[in-house]
Amino acid sequence: EVQLVESGGGLVQRGGSLRLSCGASGFPLSSYWMSWVRQGPGKGLEWVANIKQDGSDKHYVDSVEGRFTISRDNAKNSLYLQMNSLRAEDTAVYYCARDRFLYGWFFDVWGRGTLVTVSS
Amino acid sequence: QTVVTQEPSFSVSPGGTVTLTCGLTSGSVSTSYYPSWYQQTPGQAPRTLISNTNTRSSGVPDRFSGSILGNKAALIITGAQADDESDYYCVLYMGRGAWVFGGGTKLTVL
Repeated sequence: EVQLVESGGGLVQRGGSLRLSCGASGFPLSSYWMSWVRQGPGKGLEWVANIKQDGSDKHYVDSVEGRFTISRDNAKNSLYLQMNSLRAEDTAVYYCARDRFLYGWFFDVWGRGTLVTVSS
Repeated sequence: QTVVTQEPSFSVSPGGTVTLTCGLTSGSVSTSYYPSWYQQTPGQAPRTLISNTNTRSSGVPDRFSGSILGNKAALIITGAQADDESDYYCVLYMGRGAWVFGGGTKLTVL
């Protein structure tokens, strides 16, 4: 079964750091771009970052540029999000998602998410 | 800054048809943005409904369809059912690896 499982969320103080992980199973992570998408409490979805199959290309939403770093370890079938200088507005459920190109780009597999709460 | 627009809320009667739209504050949505649609119920992960404007994902009922209507992408639900009551999100691929989600539409079936 194709599956993504996030972990590493929790409560952190403003200005602190947290590292999220996403474990992939049922498919080779190395074959896909991967993204992090977040959802603040009562808010909509927001794409955060993505990373190319070999890690050589990364993109970020402006609000996290310079504070968050996306990375991957294909040998461990794992995706990561290092979050530094956390702000209250980073409080959200963070989902990892598989980017897929099949006649067009879309997200075809989603994890269940991990909650990050930044206390002020 | 690119903003993707969606109706904040919509209501449909059971068995009715509803069209949710996905636009841009500046410019038109075309197939080049690869619009895709996702359904989310509270506390759950998003579920992929439609990719590449009009391709239904595996297991998605055929009452869900997608298209370009005028200058917007559209999700059409024909014969709405009670369990279609959810939040619906579109996302556009802006190129160079970047994505922008719409604000989502809360659909009520009553």
